[in-house]
Amino acid sequence: EPEVTQTPSHQVTQMGQEVILRCVPISNHLYFYWYRQILGQKVEFLVSFYNNEISEKSEIFDDQFSVERPDGSNFTLKIRSTKLEDSAMYFCASSDRINSPLHFGNGTRLTVT
Amino acid sequence: DQQVKQNSPSLSVQEGRISILNCDYTNSMFDYFLWYKKYPAEGPTFLISISSIKDKNEDGRFTVFLNKSAKHLSLHIVPSQPGDSAVYFCAASRDNYGQNFVFGPGTRLSVLP
Repeated sequence: EPEVTQTPSHQVTQMGQEVILRCVPISNHLYFYWYRQILGQKVEFLVSFYNNEISEKSEIFDDQFSVERPDGSNFTLKIRSTKLEDSAMYFCASSDRINSPLHFGNGTRLTVT
Repeated sequence: DQQVKQNSPSLSVQEGRISILNCDYTNSMFDYFLWYKKYPAEGPTFLISISSIKDKNEDGRFTVFLNKSAKHLSLHIVPSQPGDSAVYFCAASRDNYGQNFVFGPGTRLSVLP
């Protein structure tokens, strides 16, 4: 069964550094998402992306965050200047249409020290 | 702002018995609901969904019931198996372009052999 893959599985970075989290969505999917889960808290929506542009973003997704689909397969989340509170599991997801289930990757654990 | 609530943080059930996980929502605009299962160190895995035009959807051992007037849905697992032990998330969305899913905080289900 096709799956969403995320790399790396764990990223450690120092506060103020830039990080790029990478995702390869399922190949025939058109809608892409980033969610995050801070340890012990709920899964939170960050951003959705369709037709090469952001379709919706949460208040968490401020100017420090950006997303890109640099080619036909990858979908990336960049955090420009990481803060301690950015430490979380970041999940990429994709879906093939509106009102269909999201398929999640296994996440990247980001630790900001 | 807890638009999706799962008031039981944990639930223990004997193997073979029925597990009932509950979810309440506050936003009457939600019209599509999903249940996800999550094991440690993995992303959420889609289980079953229901749209607001239905009040029941069944898939094997999993049945989701929706009570729109009460803004309540439940997931029934029968019979419960030890492999069902995981955290279960309820998620809801409106039929909008961005498809921002709002997740509940999760219920940890333990199925005891």
